Amino acid sequence: AQKVTQAQTEISVVEKEDVTLDCVYETRDTTYYLFWYKQPPSGELVFLIRRNSFDEQNEISGRYSWNFQKSTSSFNFTITASQVVDSAVYFCALSEAGGGTSYGKLTFGQGTILTVHP
Amino acid sequence: DTGVSQDPRHKITKRGQNVTFRCDPISEHNRLYWYRQTLGQGPEFLTYFQNEAQLEKSRLLSDRFSAERPKGSFSTLEIQRTEQGDSAMYLCASSLGFASGSLGSFGNEQFFGPGTRLTVL
Repeated sequence: AQKVTQAQTEISVVEKEDVTLDCVYETRDTTYYLFWYKQPPSGELVFLIRRNSFDEQNEISGRYSWNFQKSTSSFNFTITASQVVDSAVYFCALSEAGGGTSYGKLTFGQGTILTVHP
Repeated sequence: DTGVSQDPRHKITKRGQNVTFRCDPISEHNRLYWYRQTLGQGPEFLTYFQNEAQLEKSRLLSDRFSAERPKGSFSTLEIQRTEQGDSAMYLCASSLGFASGSLGSFGNEQFFGPGTRLTVL
């Protein structure tokens, strides 16, 4: 069975601080995808990134960066120079890559509430 | 394209009533998922459609829940005899496979709608 754990329930930072959101996953599959979604106060889940299990290259997109380490089953997310607009709930999610009976359903972590204070 | 839409956005009902929610996916997306999110938790998978076929259902989906996707376009989720424990946000997501009917590319990102918040009194 798949499982995603986001141990940090809430994080509070002051604007311009860097913040890292942790994500640890469990799966017996050798092929899988990892995702991060953002859920702002409006409630709609916004896709941020997808990473497949064969690609351990870290990725940077503007102020966002992701560190995927298969050896520790972690997929951490760092926001550099945080801004008030980054305040949201962030979810890490996992899906099997194909075949079988999972059909790509996402297994989400519990989410991390990030609050960025001005 | 305006993305995934859901209707209604909010629904308040009394225990024992039936409710139906609608999801309109992104037009070219052949895959459609329903999830349920309760307060303070991540979304949990309910069911999946590949075109018009319902291919997977979670054990969370009791026999009071039914979902359809006629003609492989919009989808409806009906809850019969609602209970207070059904109160949650119901989210719909769609994604695109490699080709219509293909079972590959399940890693494609899912695009979510705004959700329907159900309150059962």
